[in-house]
Amino acid sequence: GAVVSQHPSWVICKSGTSVKIECRSLDFQATTMFWYRQFPKQSLMLMATSNEGSKATYEQGVEKDKFLINHASLTLSTLTVTSAHPEDSSFYICSARTDQEFFGPGTRLTVL
Amino acid sequence: DQQVKQNSPSLSVQEGRISILNCDYTNSMFDYFLWYKKYPAEGPTFLISISSIKDKNEDGRFTVFLNKSAKHLSLHIVPSQPGDSAVYFCAASLYNQGGKLIFGQGTELSVKP
Repeated sequence: GAVVSQHPSWVICKSGTSVKIECRSLDFQATTMFWYRQFPKQSLMLMATSNEGSKATYEQGVEKDKFLINHASLTLSTLTVTSAHPEDSSFYICSARTDQEFFGPGTRLTVL
Repeated sequence: DQQVKQNSPSLSVQEGRISILNCDYTNSMFDYFLWYKKYPAEGPTFLISISSIKDKNEDGRFTVFLNKSAKHLSLHIVPSQPGDSAVYFCAASLYNQGGKLIFGQGTELSVKP
């Protein structure tokens, strides 16, 4: 199947700093990528849909100014968590879609 | 408002027996359903799916059943193997909403030797 990578796999940062997470489709091009967040023992919650060359579409309740999404090419989408706070600590997962949706391995963000 | 629900957070099954994971949904417009398997600190991997026009789909040891009138789907794994131990998520999608996935809370399956 298609491979989606994420970098970094884990990151620890101080409160107030910004963190960038990259999502790459390694062997296919994806016009659409998705960003999810998962809290422990909970469901994956869709945060936003990232469209190459256009603005991302955010789900209700997700602050677009806090979670900046850039889909600069057909193989790369980035999520930047700005002014991170401890409550932003979570597992962030991206996915890219061809005929089906392929998920990245996730990024564990811990904000101190 | 949880549109997709997995009411059993965990399930323990003996190796060789059948595992049945359940999922309920509230939106009758969902037209596609999927099951994903997830290990800790990894992304979900696709397992099996079913279109709303079908009531059963089978792939090896995995079978998904869809009961539209009850808004219920289930995943059967038979025979269960220790390597099946993971968290299983069901997801539903709506074509006219771009096919975005709505996930349930997950059920942690433990298959004991």
